[in-house]
Amino acid sequence: TQLLEQSPQFLSIQEGENLTVYCNSSSVFSSLQWYRQEPGEGPVLLVTVVTGGEVKKLKRLTFQFGDARKDSSLHITAAQPGDTGLYLCAGDNNNNDMRFGAGTRLTVKP
Amino acid sequence: DAGITQSPRYKITETGRQVTLMCHQTWSHSYMFWYRQDLGHGLRLIYYSAAADITDKGEVPDGYVVSRSKTENFPLTLESATRSQTSVYFCASRQPGTNTEAFFGQGTRLTVV
Repeated sequence: TQLLEQSPQFLSIQEGENLTVYCNSSSVFSSLQWYRQEPGEGPVLLVTVVTGGEVKKLKRLTFQFGDARKDSSLHITAAQPGDTGLYLCAGDNNNNDMRFGAGTRLTVKP
Repeated sequence: DAGITQSPRYKITETGRQVTLMCHQTWSHSYMFWYRQDLGHGLRLIYYSAAADITDKGEVPDGYVVSRSKTENFPLTLESATRSQTSVYFCASRQPGTNTEAFFGQGTRLTVV
């Protein structure tokens, strides 16, 4: 059982559509991070959310940290083919041992 | 060049052989991590290290050994490779703190036949 559960596991949408992916846990985190990974590459950090209820925007991407700091969501507005990739959430298990969810694999079709 | 590098990028080995995957970072980050990535599992933590000579087990440490004699290097050894260890392995580093960014290498694709 993974510490962080991500849903959906796969998502295929048309260009221009909106989408939301989720990262949930029964544990409280001091912060959560979202990474994006492209084929053949390592993950790259998109954002870190720290405060419960925090909302951060990165162009068309909106990240939210749950009030109880147990969950987070990523919303993409007007998705583009360039958004295609694996989206991973990550959190520390109190020992600086950074753990990842299984990821959401997003495909945006032109 | 500054960054984090893994070698080799691709490796095929036979069951029962010992194989070592190398990881080198130039930032002097105190924390380093080894993950394996398999379809449906995301990144699973194998071992991590808070500093030279300090290592700890992650989620899936069985069958793996690590060492960290120098801050910049964190090799991962499969003592007797098994087919279930076929995977893509990623090394990462970061500074201390739960908010700090982790930087990843490009991965090593290991196939055990």
